[in-house]
Amino acid sequence: AQSVTQLDSQVPVFEEAPVELRCNYSSSVSVYLFWYVQYPNQGLQLLLKYLSGSTLVESINGFEAEFNKSQTSFHLRKPSVHISDTAEYFCAVSKKGSQGNLIFGKGTKLSVKP
Amino acid sequence: NAGVTQTPKFQVLKTGQSMTLQCAQDMNHEYMSWYRQDPGMGLRLIHYSVGAGITDQGEVPNGYNVSRSTTEDFPLRLLSAAPSQTSVYFCASSLDREGGQPQHFGDGTRLSIL
Repeated sequence: AQSVTQLDSQVPVFEEAPVELRCNYSSSVSVYLFWYVQYPNQGLQLLLKYLSGSTLVESINGFEAEFNKSQTSFHLRKPSVHISDTAEYFCAVSKKGSQGNLIFGKGTKLSVKP
Repeated sequence: NAGVTQTPKFQVLKTGQSMTLQCAQDMNHEYMSWYRQDPGMGLRLIHYSVGAGITDQGEVPNGYNVSRSTTEDFPLRLLSAAPSQTSVYFCASSLDREGGQPQHFGDGTRLSIL
């Protein structure tokens, strides 16, 4: 079985500061890794994903995540956050060939303060 | 392009009542799923479908039924509502069955059981 641990439930940070949201996973089989973002009163949107190849993946709005197989981690980073990045972020995994079923972490609420 | 549409957006029920949460997608996706989101719990898979006529249970299926008579629609039925089913429900769809494609989420149905 797979499981996902997001180590911080809340992360407050000032605008233009760097941020790292941590995610560790456990699985005995190969998995795909995802970060989703949820803005208030909305559904989830894909932020970025790791399927294979380069271990560093980037999103169009400046976030990046690095897959570390030895540490079973997929931490999300941004060098300079904006007020508009305030949202809840979910790390998720799916087992390869598993009909796409996602296992989610419990989420990290990012609050960006002016 | 509507994507994934969920109705209703809000609903209040009394214990013991039944209701159906509707989900429709216009992207011709084979894979569809239902998740519930509870504070501090992340999202948990209720039921999923890999195509018309095929459904299966997820992590928390008790108290819920689903059917998939068409590719577009995937309704979720609460047979006898209980306060423990108070939650936000999300429907999602995906292009493939292998787990690597991102899932598209609806905006959710906020359900309160009194």
